[in-house]
Amino acid sequence: SQKIEQNSEALNIQEGKTATLTCNYTNYSPAYLQWYRQDPGRGPVFLLLIRENEKEKRKERLKVTFDTTLKQSLFHITASQPADSATYLCALARNAGNMLTFGGGTRLMVKP
Amino acid sequence: GAVVSQHPSWVICKSGTSVKIECRSLDFQATTMFWYRQFPKQSLMLMATSNEGSKATYEQGVEKDKFLINHASLTLSTLTVTSAHPEDSSFYICSARESPNSNQPQHFGDGTRLSIL
Repeated sequence: SQKIEQNSEALNIQEGKTATLTCNYTNYSPAYLQWYRQDPGRGPVFLLLIRENEKEKRKERLKVTFDTTLKQSLFHITASQPADSATYLCALARNAGNMLTFGGGTRLMVKP
Repeated sequence: GAVVSQHPSWVICKSGTSVKIECRSLDFQATTMFWYRQFPKQSLMLMATSNEGSKATYEQGVEKDKFLINHASLTLSTLTVTSAHPEDSSFYICSARESPNSNQPQHFGDGTRLSIL
């Protein structure tokens, strides 16, 4: 069966360090992968999209990699700040209709 | 940027009540809107895809008679939870796609927390 896995345990890091979150998938051949941020009691906010033919995408302090051989995406936040504390969700497009399937999310806690 | 407004943000009602949730795209037209459900500390589960002017497409296991979806205009979709029961208590989130291109991001509302007593 199709599965998207994100580390369910919270990631705690010190301010200024780089946070790295992992998204693994099985039995998928996604055309693209998206990362979202979700704060408690709020809807997800889109961060980055990376296509299957792209190895890496950057936006300010954010970087996403996409390895279709390993079936894995890594999400990096450099120079992390306490304001980056949130749950980060990866999502794969199941088909051309853009119906997204979300991973369970990883909660990031950046300590000052 | 693209803004999606969801209303109400919080509903508490008695068992057996029907509850309507509205999802509006404020500064863009959305031919497609999506409805999700999220339980505490779990991921978003797609319930249905709503296309303007046509019937919604429901995911497997979602009762279409229980969760009525109407997408009457390019800026408004509604989800009605009919005869709600405590097990329907959850966080319901809508999203809208600004472009018909399938590889564009979805813009999410801030969700509706539904509590059925």
